[in-house]
Amino acid sequence: GAGVSQTPSNKVTEKGKYVELRCDPISGHTALYWYRQSLGQGPEFLIYFQGTGAADDSGLPNDRFFAVRPEGSVSTLKIQRTERGDSAVYLCASSFGRANTEAFFGQGTRLTVV
Amino acid sequence: QKEVEQDPGPLSVPEGAIVSLNCTYSNSAFQYFMWYRQYSRKGPELLMYTYSSGNKEDGRFTAQVDKSSKYISLFIRDSQPSDSATYLCAMGAGGTSYGKLTFGQGTILTVHP
Repeated sequence: GAGVSQTPSNKVTEKGKYVELRCDPISGHTALYWYRQSLGQGPEFLIYFQGTGAADDSGLPNDRFFAVRPEGSVSTLKIQRTERGDSAVYLCASSFGRANTEAFFGQGTRLTVV
Repeated sequence: QKEVEQDPGPLSVPEGAIVSLNCTYSNSAFQYFMWYRQYSRKGPELLMYTYSSGNKEDGRFTAQVDKSSKYISLFIRDSQPSDSATYLCAMGAGGTSYGKLTFGQGTILTVHP
């Protein structure tokens, strides 16, 4: 597809479970970003990849959160031992090179922890 | 105190009105400034970005940056019902923080016919 694709679009999980959220960036985009958006708030930075490596993971809230991008394209955000406070929309964005001023966002994965 | 403060509104205006949206920030390291539009249950969509103080115009939209006051604005002229959305300001610094954008909390705008 032409845009950033995120799957699943919605995910409901029980407290304590493990979840994986997937992001397919725009083809050729080397930079990939994960953000989290809680209701009524702006997106909050989690992690930024340049190629396969995490260039900045300062936004990951704790060690239950981890993200990978093994081949420099698709990325997976992994959350262990989910808590109700993890409920939010998880947004992925990608850009060409380092130009995050022109980052394109996906529609997000709405995660609900019950 | 948050690094970026944005009046959440909501803001309701009649069609054709001029809309002014504003953000203030506290981090002097911010070098580039963006405005995003977000429709319900969609991802943010970039409207405008600028690196310097002053005005930048694109159609009905004008972005204004005043670095000395740490204040940015977005003006929408001749507002349309299709402009109804949440508007987010976002800012970025250079160096090791290059990949990170800091967003305001968003202003909900409704333009009624």
